[in-house]
Amino acid sequence: EDQVTQSPEALRLQEGESSSLNCSYTVSGLRGLFWYRQDPGKGPEFLFTLYSAGEEKEKERLKATLTKKESFLHITAPKPEDSATYLCAVLVPNTGNQFYFGTGTSLTVIP
Amino acid sequence: DVKVTQSSRYLVKRTGEKVFLECVQDMDHENMFWYRQDPGLGLRLIYFSYDVKMKEKGDIPEGYSVSREKKERFSLILESASTNQTSMYLCASRPTGNPYGYTFGSGTRLTVV
Repeated sequence: EDQVTQSPEALRLQEGESSSLNCSYTVSGLRGLFWYRQDPGKGPEFLFTLYSAGEEKEKERLKATLTKKESFLHITAPKPEDSATYLCAVLVPNTGNQFYFGTGTSLTVIP
Repeated sequence: DVKVTQSSRYLVKRTGEKVFLECVQDMDHENMFWYRQDPGLGLRLIYFSYDVKMKEKGDIPEGYSVSREKKERFSLILESASTNQTSMYLCASRPTGNPYGYTFGSGTRLTVV
């Protein structure tokens, strides 16, 4: 069965303390892996799309990487405004444009 | 700025009521989706539609139905609301093609009492 697993479930960082979030998947024939940020009470906002192993994308303090089995979201010198839940999702072939989501990592950055 | 708009941010309904959640997108996307999001369970797909008047069941369609009479509008219907349908409901759309991500609406927090 196709699965997407995110770890850790929750992460507390001091401001400036860099870390990484993990998204592992067991999907065959990956067509794309997507990272989203979700603030409390709001819909997810798109961050990155990764298509193939070895690919990297960056945006401000965030950097996403992809291997054949997992993706990492690296957060460098985080600020309190980076506090949010980060979701990853994969697009699976032959599913009618359906995404499979992980359950997310809740990040709290303490000033 | 492209948008997916959900008609209500918060709703409180009584058990047994018929509930309509509306979603409108202005991006001419073919595909639209309804998810519910619950703590510890993540996003679960209820229904999706890849064309006007077309619909497909997702992972948890029981107790729900959908309507897509126009390309830009996708409605989720709770035929007889129950307390276990209290949740955050998220609408999303995406164009056909490989691979485009979802654009999400801001969500509707539904409480059934």
